[in-house]
Amino acid sequence: SQQGEEDPQALSIQEGENATMNCSYKTSINNLQWYRQNSGRGLVHLILIRSNEREKHSGRLRVTLDTSKKSSSLLITASRAADTASYFCATGHNYKLTFGKGTLLTVNP
Amino acid sequence: DVKVTQSSRYLVKRTGEKVFLECVQDMDHENMFWYRQDPGLGLRLIYFSYDVKMKEKGDIPEGYSVSREKKERFSLILESASTNQTSMYLCASKYAANYGYTFGSGTRLTVV
Repeated sequence: SQQGEEDPQALSIQEGENATMNCSYKTSINNLQWYRQNSGRGLVHLILIRSNEREKHSGRLRVTLDTSKKSSSLLITASRAADTASYFCATGHNYKLTFGKGTLLTVNP
Repeated sequence: DVKVTQSSRYLVKRTGEKVFLECVQDMDHENMFWYRQDPGLGLRLIYFSYDVKMKEKGDIPEGYSVSREKKERFSLILESASTNQTSMYLCASKYAANYGYTFGSGTRLTVV
């Protein structure tokens, strides 16, 4: 099944720095989504980018999508300690969403 | 805001028991999903439903069944719980294609 793979698996930065996470996938998609999960909790939807879009912004988040390379990136600018969480990309096709294993982001105060 | 409520945050059951995990959403969403999340394996889709009384197998349906008698409620059933079903179970719903999912807080199930 198509699956997003995040890179890196873990990322540790200082507050105020930017964080970039990458996602690669294998087959065609309708959309690609990014989610955040705080420890032991449910996932929170951050942003959805459709297959015919190349870039999307939401607040401090910027997502890019390159369908020719089957890859996406999530940029969090001016990170805060509260951004510490796991971030997952998920590829959407028809009704189903397939998740990667996530990037653990730690933002140090 | 859409709310997805899972009935229990933590659950401990014995091997062989029949286990019901309940999920309710309050925004009239057509589509509902059950995932399990395990360290190193990420989220894996168990079952999903795109309408009342409709269900589709996901990637790992073995050992599970589901029920969707009403639009707002999607139940996951472990017919005979086993220790390898110890996991975090996450329910989600969404409005339609090209919309994000809304997740519940999860149920951490331990089978002893």
